[in-house]
Amino acid sequence: AQSVTQLGSHVSVSEGALVLLRCNYSSSVPPYLFWYVQYPNQGLQLLLKYTSAATLVKGINGFEAEFKKSETSFHLTKPSAHMSDAAEYFCAVSYRNDYKLSFGAGTTVTVRA
Amino acid sequence: DGGITQSPKYLFRKEGQNVTLSCEQNLNHDAMYWYRQDPGQGLRLIYYSQIVNDFQKGDIAEGYSVSREKKESFPLTVTSAQKNPTAFYLCASSFRGTENTEAFFGQGTRLTVV
Repeated sequence: AQSVTQLGSHVSVSEGALVLLRCNYSSSVPPYLFWYVQYPNQGLQLLLKYTSAATLVKGINGFEAEFKKSETSFHLTKPSAHMSDAAEYFCAVSYRNDYKLSFGAGTTVTVRA
Repeated sequence: DGGITQSPKYLFRKEGQNVTLSCEQNLNHDAMYWYRQDPGQGLRLIYYSQIVNDFQKGDIAEGYSVSREKKESFPLTVTSAQKNPTAFYLCASSFRGTENTEAFFGQGTRLTVV
């Protein structure tokens, strides 16, 4: 089955430190990859997406992600964490012939002052 | 403003009752989806629809039903057959078949069985 795996259900970082959230997909066909953020009791907001153009993708709020085909990965990073980054983050995948999104289990980020 | 609207935000259901969650979008998207979210399990797909008058089961369709009579609307009914309906329900929509397949989400409905 085609799927996406997020390593680590919870990440804690200090304010100003690097944020690194890991996402791996399993597929033999080219994927479309997405990162979403969710604040408590709200819907999901798109951070960024990869759709076969540039492998390094920049998104909103200072986040970026790099698509690495050899590693089947799409890890999300932010150089310097802010308190407002505390939220749950989801990696998702879809395909040209199966466009519905499949989500990872999510990673909750807490930011320490 | 374009967007996707879910209502109500909170919903309480008694055991044995059916309830219907509303989802409306004005983004001119063809595809619409219903997801269920439980702590630690991410989002699981209940039903999705690619065009009007057509829909397919997702991974956890048992105990749920949907209709797609209009492009803008995709209501979800949680039936009494759903054994554990307490959850956060998210509706989404997207274009289909192109690179712009990112989904736009509503604000969710929190359903509680009392």
